[in-house]
Amino acid sequence: DVKVTQSSRYLVKRTGEKVFLECVQDMDHENMFWYRQDPGLGLRLIYFSYDVKMKEKGDIPEGYSVSREKKERFSLILESASTNQTSMYLCASSPRSGRFTDTQYFGPGTRLTVL
Amino acid sequence: AQSVAQPEDQVNVAEGNPLTVKCTYSVSGNPYLFWYVQYPNRGLQFLLKYITGDNLVKGSYGFEAEFNKSQTSFHLKKPSALVSDSALYFCAVRDEKAAGNKLTFGGGTRVLVKP
Repeated sequence: DVKVTQSSRYLVKRTGEKVFLECVQDMDHENMFWYRQDPGLGLRLIYFSYDVKMKEKGDIPEGYSVSREKKERFSLILESASTNQTSMYLCASSPRSGRFTDTQYFGPGTRLTVL
Repeated sequence: AQSVAQPEDQVNVAEGNPLTVKCTYSVSGNPYLFWYVQYPNRGLQFLLKYITGDNLVKGSYGFEAEFNKSQTSFHLKKPSALVSDSALYFCAVRDEKAAGNKLTFGGGTRVLVKP
């Protein structure tokens, strides 16, 4: 089974703090994704990566950055956390195929609260 | 641009009755369509996908979905709902013509199955 793990289930931070969310997958997938989930808005893509050291902006990248130094690990960074970044953050991975039809596999999520 | 809509925020159904969760989409090319389910305090789990071929797709836990190109719909169905099907359901789409393996998710539909 594909396993995607996230470093924390719950996290509480203060406004202005630098926050790191870590995601690790064990299936040698090329693609990795970070989403945020908010009620009524579904999942919105923040950033994604097709390979090591490679990243692309998703639909809502403002206020976030990412790092992918190793294939299995994809980090989301909030440089200066703000209250409007309080949300559920979901990481996902998928293998790469020419038709991009592969299923994305999700981690359990990190619920971040910024006070 | 690709988009997906789930017109119902919540669906209530009695155990043993049929369950339908609606999804409509908009794409430029051919659609790749997915359904995911999220149980409380869990990440998203893949249910089924439509890529090509038979319009009726069967997935996990007895769920199925019907692709209707003329109505641009991909409704999720289960003939006899269980209390354990109570969860949050997300429809997602990827446009064949879009670059990258980016999915667009609907806002989600909460299903409540009453005993």
